[in-house]
Amino acid sequence: KAGVTQTPRYLIKTRGQQVTLSCSPISGHRSVSWYQQTPGQGLQFLFEYFSETQRNKGNFPGRFSGRQFSNSRSEMNVSTLELGDSALYLCASSLAPGPGNNYGYTFGSGTRLTVV
Amino acid sequence: KNQVEQSPQSLIILEGKNCTLQCNYTVSPFSNLRWYKQDTGRGPVSLTIMTFSENTKSNGRYTATLDADTKQSSLHITASQLSDSASYICVVSEEYKLSFGAGTTVTVRA
Repeated sequence: KAGVTQTPRYLIKTRGQQVTLSCSPISGHRSVSWYQQTPGQGLQFLFEYFSETQRNKGNFPGRFSGRQFSNSRSEMNVSTLELGDSALYLCASSLAPGPGNNYGYTFGSGTRLTVV
Repeated sequence: KNQVEQSPQSLIILEGKNCTLQCNYTVSPFSNLRWYKQDTGRGPVSLTIMTFSENTKSNGRYTATLDADTKQSSLHITASQLSDSASYICVVSEEYKLSFGAGTTVTVRA
């Protein structure tokens, strides 16, 4: 079956712009979570959605937001981009919500965002 | 301070040799512990997932162990192959939060 699909794969934006990233989960998975990965900070949790509701949120500023649609596809938006937002943004899907679930997460290949 | 510490930060091994990666955590209460393999520029791929009651879990040449009493886990790679070159990340789950290790970068040389 198809895996987690993230689009676009690469993106270059200018400081101050906004960006929207897309994530299509594995068919049947209703939980989608987002992560930021940088060389200095490693993987950091952004937020998780389940059945169109945000279930958990990490410690990121309000410039980072997301939403989930009825077909479980999710989008992440970053407004007023800063140089420090340059990172690999990963999404992962799961059958059930919450990090404590034992179903595991399947990650997409990520979107590489570069802010110049 | 990170609640999940991995060691070593990086290592180089010869093809065919074994190696062991370490993960120490302070997360509590603990739901499960996962090991992921991440190739450069790709998303992490799950290798193993263990609950607190499991001591060992294998996935091909990868074997993870867990000691919930000492809060330590290890990932053993047997008969390494060039394709094992990647970053290996330890992830510990509480009920509502994931804590990530910084990863161990493994380089396998021919």
